[in-house]
Amino acid sequence: QSVLTQPPSVSAAPGQKVTISCSGGSSNIENNHLSWYQQPPGSAPKLIIYANNERPSGILDRFSASKSGTSATLVITGLQTGDEADYYCGSWDNSLNTVVFGEGTRLTVL
Amino acid sequence: QLHLQESGPGLVKSLETLSLTCSVSGGSIRSSGFYWGWIRQSPGKGLEWIGSRDHSGSTLYNPSLKSQVTISVDTAKSQFSLKLRSVTAADTATYYCARHGRHAVYCSPTGCYYNNRFDPWGQGTLVIVSS
Repeated sequence: QSVLTQPPSVSAAPGQKVTISCSGGSSNIENNHLSWYQQPPGSAPKLIIYANNERPSGILDRFSASKSGTSATLVITGLQTGDEADYYCGSWDNSLNTVVFGEGTRLTVL
Repeated sequence: QLHLQESGPGLVKSLETLSLTCSVSGGSIRSSGFYWGWIRQSPGKGLEWIGSRDHSGSTLYNPSLKSQVTISVDTAKSQFSLKLRSVTAADTATYYCARHGRHAVYCSPTGCYYNNRFDPWGQGTLVIVSS
């Protein structure tokens, strides 16, 4: 059981928008910056969001994120079949003194 | 462009030591503000951070693995390594190396709060622990 809670799966049609939530607490999300990672099937994770809402170079603006209190949301617009992947949120946890990840959310583009 | 590549045995016997190396190319392992980290993923499961170390020797370990783990950095070879002692079947996983960016966002009397990010990642290497 991870300290960061994500829905196991989400799905939407091509071209639509999907949101993935990440819920935590005051020792992690609320006071530390959050990152999001995309892991396509059989591939390594890739950073798509850091510092709560910043995109690394090369990540399209179809990917955005926000944070409020102890929860965060990743938003993907204009869904493409290539977006099918597992998505993980990650943060430092000051109580556990460790990096924590959510359990991951599998995105299916129908 | 920074590139990381894991190497090491794909099969380790139970109770022995798992040893992996990550080779860094396209950038300096001496870069300030960065750690070099290991993350693992058990088959069909999520991500678990193992630990990170910077080139000057500062280390961060997952408390749940700290007694088993040593991470070292060889700046001359531009490599960093993971040793995980006394492995069991529960340590069977794909092991990833990654550059770990970490800096304090702000500090209060009770502690500091951080921005952590892992970027880029190596392709990963599957290690199976056999009995």
